[in-house]
Amino acid sequence: GESVGLHLPTLSVQEGDNSIINCAYSNSASDYFIWYKQESGKGPQFIIDIRSNMDKRQGQRVTVLLNKTVKHLSLQIAATQPGDSAVYFCAETGSFGNEKLTFGTGTRLTIIP
Amino acid sequence: KAGVTQTPRYLIKTRGQQVTLSCSPISGHRSVSWYQQTPGQGLQFLFEYFSETQRNKGNFPGRFSGRQFSNSRSEMNVSTLELGDSALYLCASSLRGQSYEQYFGPGTRLTVT
Repeated sequence: GESVGLHLPTLSVQEGDNSIINCAYSNSASDYFIWYKQESGKGPQFIIDIRSNMDKRQGQRVTVLLNKTVKHLSLQIAATQPGDSAVYFCAETGSFGNEKLTFGTGTRLTIIP
Repeated sequence: KAGVTQTPRYLIKTRGQQVTLSCSPISGHRSVSWYQQTPGQGLQFLFEYFSETQRNKGNFPGRFSGRQFSNSRSEMNVSTLELGDSALYLCASSLRGQSYEQYFGPGTRLTVT
C-alpha cells in the first residue's frame, strides 16, 4: 500500500545551524503534503504544507521543498533554536476534502546548545 | 480559541475490557479524525467523522468504533482490549472542505495490562 517514509530516524544539529529533514513518499497521486512537529507529551502541531502543484513554500524559518519526480519532500529549518527539538513527521493526503493523513515514521531532531 | 481537548489523558485498562475516549473539537470545526500512535507502527489513521457520519476509515478491526454527536464532539470505543491496543490515541479536528489543516489534541495514553 501507499507509504510515507523518512530517510533518517535521528538528527542532531548545533544551535544556530540549519537543519534539513527528508521524507520519501510512494503514492504518486498524493496531492497535499504537510509537516508536523510533535513535542514530548503533546499532539502533532502543524508547521507548513504544500500542494502538489508547487515545488517550494516558505514560512517563518521553515521551507518545504517538493520534488515530485523522485517523490521526495524536505523540511528546512533555518537558524535552529532549542525549542525546535522535537519529532518531525511528514504526512500526505490524496485529495482535497480527504481528511485521512498518511504519516511518515518521524525524525527526532535534537538541537545541541 | 480553545484547542482540541481529549479526555481522559491517561487510562489503564485490563485485557478484555472496553474503553471509551472523548474528543471535543475546536469550536466551529465539524470534522473529527482519530489516530493511533505507537512506537512500532507510528501514526495510523483510524477514522473520520463529519456531520455525525463516518466519512473515512482506516485499516483497523471492528473492535474500534466511533461516533460523533450533533455538537461535533466525538467518541471512540475499543472493545475487547488487547495488549497491542496500548497506544496514544490522538484526535484532530478541521474545517473539512475548507482547509487541509488539522489541529491535534494532546491525546489519551491508553495502557492495557
